Amino acid sequence: DTEVTQTPKHLVMGMTNKKSLKCEQHMGHRAMYWYKQKAKKPPELMFVYSYEKLSINESVPSRFSPECPNSSLLNLHLHALQPEDSALYLCASSQDRGLGSPLHFGNGTRLTVT
Amino acid sequence: AQTVTQSQPEMSVQEAETVTLSCTYDTSESDYYLFWYKQPPSRQMILVIRQEAYKQQNATENRFSVNFQKAAKSFSLKISDSQLGDAAMYFCAYSGSARQLTFGSGTQLTVLP
Repeated sequence: DTEVTQTPKHLVMGMTNKKSLKCEQHMGHRAMYWYKQKAKKPPELMFVYSYEKLSINESVPSRFSPECPNSSLLNLHLHALQPEDSALYLCASSQDRGLGSPLHFGNGTRLTVT
Repeated sequence: AQTVTQSQPEMSVQEAETVTLSCTYDTSESDYYLFWYKQPPSRQMILVIRQEAYKQQNATENRFSVNFQKAAKSFSLKISDSQLGDAAMYFCAYSGSARQLTFGSGTQLTVLP
């Protein structure tokens, strides 16, 4: 069982749609992450929240908008996406952003943009 | 910038045998961590093992162990008594002063019955 829960598992959306991906953890972790992963490639970091504040934005297009309502929840709002945005979106959390603090990942949301 | 290289895109191993996955990295930092993550078809990235650069002793977790050669900047993963459930994509990763994971390109491991 994963301790980081992502919903939905699959999402198909048109380029004009607005949708949100959700991530939840109850391990008391204070750092949360969004990654994008293309097939057979390593994950690419998108955003990092530390103590509910955005600390890293890896030059992600504005059609992706993260939100951290509280220490347990992380959302990724999607708007006007492009077909090349189709990918697996992984959420992760860690106790903090300490050097050796391991990341715990969710099962991901498989996003298809039509 | 740090780089992580996995030179074996695919590996296979017979069930119950031992396999070693290679990873090399490049860094000028002295304080860092190295990780191996596995990603089975279920998609979840699972931490397999973690090694602190300052610790000379190689990390072990049950059937999984690493051979950490700091001077050579090498961090290989050995899986003993391979099981069907070990089949997955394995990623080597580095974490240093930037506090971000730098992943290698991955090695797809197939376990043959």
